[in-house]
Amino acid sequence: GEDVEQSLFLSVREGDSSVINCTYTDSSSTYLYWYKQEPGAGLQLLTYIFSNMDMKQDQRLTVLLNKKDKHLSLRIADTQTGDSAIYFCAESTSGTYKYIFGTGTRLKVLA
Amino acid sequence: DTGVSQDPRHKITKRGQNVTFRCDPISEHNRLYWYRQTLGQGPEFLTYFQNEAQLEKSRLLSDRFSAERPKGSFSTLEIQRTEQGDSAMYLCASRDLGETQYFGPGTRLLVL
Repeated sequence: GEDVEQSLFLSVREGDSSVINCTYTDSSSTYLYWYKQEPGAGLQLLTYIFSNMDMKQDQRLTVLLNKKDKHLSLRIADTQTGDSAIYFCAESTSGTYKYIFGTGTRLKVLA
Repeated sequence: DTGVSQDPRHKITKRGQNVTFRCDPISEHNRLYWYRQTLGQGPEFLTYFQNEAQLEKSRLLSDRFSAERPKGSFSTLEIQRTEQGDSAMYLCASRDLGETQYFGPGTRLLVL
């Protein structure tokens, strides 16, 4: 079945770049997403990429997609303490309405 | 506030009781999703509505779970004969034609 996997933790220093990785198993994934969840807050969509793209940049965020290896990454440039949160990778597939989320990566930004 | 709202925010119940949660999506959104999230995990898809039609249900949604969206606006999720394993955060999300799902704050359920 479909599965989305992420490493559990990442710690970086303020001002450095963060790279959060995700692997997925469904080769027919159509869209891949990155969500952010802060304590006590709902999930917020940060960005998404269509499966026929290999890169998308949005201000400090860069998404890279390697469809051959089924690998997605989110790079956050100039990471700030406000970026500390849990980041979820998710995928959707054409022909189904469900979204599959990863287990989340907890990013801790050290001042 | 014009975001997705959920009620109640917290629910404590005893095993065997029935509970019902409500989700009010963003008003012009015709697509509505329910998810369940347990500690340390990502959201797990439960079910999807397009207007009032329930178009997809997860295998996770046992016979004790039922969801409705009778008029294509708000939705309810009912759990009958709750079990301790049902303890989780229940999330609702809505979207329009775009790719962005807007999530509500969730209902945290604790089954004693």
